[in-house]
Parts: sequence; structure tokens; C-alpha cells
Amino acid sequence: QSVLTQPPSASGAPGQRVTISCSGSNSNTGSRTVSWYQQLPGTAPKLLIYADYKRPSGVPDRFSGSKSGTSASLAISGLQSEDEADYYCASWDDSLSGYVFGAGTQVTVL
Amino acid sequence: EGQLVESGGALVQPGGSLRVSCVASGFTFTDFWMSWIRQVPGKGLEWVANIKQDESEKWYVDSVEGRFTISRDNAKNSLYLQMNSLRVDDTAVYYCVRGASDAFDIWGQGTMVTVSS
Repeated sequence: QSVLTQPPSASGAPGQRVTISCSGSNSNTGSRTVSWYQQLPGTAPKLLIYADYKRPSGVPDRFSGSKSGTSASLAISGLQSEDEADYYCASWDDSLSGYVFGAGTQVTVL
Repeated sequence: EGQLVESGGALVQPGGSLRVSCVASGFTFTDFWMSWIRQVPGKGLEWVANIKQDESEKWYVDSVEGRFTISRDNAKNSLYLQMNSLRVDDTAVYYCVRGASDAFDIWGQGTMVTVSS
């Protein structure tokens, strides 16, 4: 059972907006920043969002991050077929003295 | 941009040892924390360990504490993970990853470690 809670799946039609939640606690997401990763089938994960809402260069602005309290969210707007992937959130946990990941959310484009 | 290339993955018997390596290029290795993150095929990501630039701090996930040792050779731009007393549940793809701004911004392609008799 993962320390960070994500829904196992999410879906949307092309062009729609999909939101993925990541729920933690005061020892991780509530006091530390959250990052998000996209993993396409058969490839290594890729950083999408860091420091709760910042995008690395090259990441389309269709991807956005936010956080309120102990819950973070990743939104994908203008959904495209190439967005079909697994998405993971992560944060440092002060109680565990280590990084923790969510179990991942599989996004399907209908 | 930077690149990380892992090597050393293999089939090992339970109780055995293995060292996986990672060579970094395209960035100043000594400026960054480095981590190992693993993934059982078809499952999620699990952070394993990280190490500070000068090796003064090392942190491990509880399940590998005392069995795994992370190290680095800054002169060789290399990161290592020495794995002892390997268990079947250590079977996974091991990724070498650069840490930046409390996130993981560059990932290697991964190296497969299989623990089986």
C-alpha cells in the first residue's frame, strides 16, 4: 500500500481535461513539494512537474500541477492520444526519511 | 541535457550479491544528489536510496537498509549500488536518477536485476 494515494485509472476523450489526484499527509505532501512523472509503455519515467506546479522546459503547458494542503493534482488539458501513459506523484517524507511514490494512475484516451 | 547509463543487471540467486553501476555524462556530476529507483515489471515506482554530492549523506528505504549500499565516484562520474543478501522481492528494473529541486529530472534506461533460484 502506497503512502501517497492516487486513483488507479482515469480517462477522457481527445480534447477533454483529465485530473489526477495525489493524497498524502503532513509528513510528505503537506510539508514538502510534489513532483509528477509520466511513464509511456516500455520507457523510463519522465519528469512532468516539480515543486508542486513548475514545468521543466519542453513539457507542454497542457500539463499543470497544483497543491492544496496535503493533496496535489495533475491536470492534462486538451487530451491527446500520446498522453496515454502511467502517471506517478512523489514527495519526500520526513517521517520515513525517504521519497515516496503514489501507486500510479493509468490514463486512457477514449 | 545529460545522460545516465546503467549496467550490471543480472540473474542472481537468493542470498547473493550484485553491484549495478551508472555513468553520467552531459552535466556536472558533482553538483547533484543521485538516487536509485526501482520498478517491478508491471508495477509502480519505489525509491531505493540517494546520496549527496560529497557522500556525506545517504538515505535508504527501510526494506534495503543494511543490505544495500549506495556510493559514487565523482572522478569517474559514476554511481553505484552494492546489493547484498538479495531476496526474490528485490527483482526489478533499477533506474539511476538525478535529483534536482526535490524531484528526479534525468532517468537512465534501467538495468534488470532478477533474483531467482
